[in-house]
Amino acid sequence: DAKTTQPPSMDCAEGRAANLPCNHSTISGNEYVYWYRQIHSQGPQYIIHGLKNNETNEMASLIITEDRKSSTLILPHATLRDTAVYYCIVRVINSNSGYALNFGKGTSLLVTP
Amino acid sequence: SAVISQKPSRDICQRGTSLTIQCQVDSQVTMMFWYRQQPGQSLTLIATANQGSEATYESGFVIDKFPISRPNLTFSTLTVSNMSPEDSSIYLCSVATGARYEQYFGPGTRLTVT
Repeated sequence: DAKTTQPPSMDCAEGRAANLPCNHSTISGNEYVYWYRQIHSQGPQYIIHGLKNNETNEMASLIITEDRKSSTLILPHATLRDTAVYYCIVRVINSNSGYALNFGKGTSLLVTP
Repeated sequence: SAVISQKPSRDICQRGTSLTIQCQVDSQVTMMFWYRQQPGQSLTLIATANQGSEATYESGFVIDKFPISRPNLTFSTLTVSNMSPEDSSIYLCSVATGARYEQYFGPGTRLTVT
């Protein structure tokens, strides 16, 4: 799996966009970028994933740079309930490499009133 | 997506005893995983438990300590055997499904060993 680097913590004001960066400069061509989050005392929650195109769903947007060496998860209008640890995971998922996830330390996002 | 439940949600156990954690999924899935999250730490994979095959354990985890059953496509158990205080953690099961094998997690079982 490619190594990822995330800031340990970030703050965001409620209602503003939260932009969470992830550096993955050693990413290989067939590795996907996955984002999960873990709200305190809950199991992790899948947010979004992408290969090279930007992706958007009802929860967030994922912006991947053209060289794929970094990405940004965007929560367009952060709410207090978005306070969580956000994990950026980069890996190939198939029968050869396996299907489990390797969680790093993530970014602890605090959304403030 | 998948909805996953775990039992018990929490337990306090004495040293030397064993606890079996149940994981129930609302749909049939082949790939299931068990993770451990020690206090203040990130998640660590214990084992992969695919139906129809023996569980595959990660380095540092052994079957005698963490036996796993996977009798069908919607259910699995993880037993934490001969517990010590170092086993105090949150234990989570998850399944991989979807176009790119996105994982969905249960709420976790919070275990405290005294």
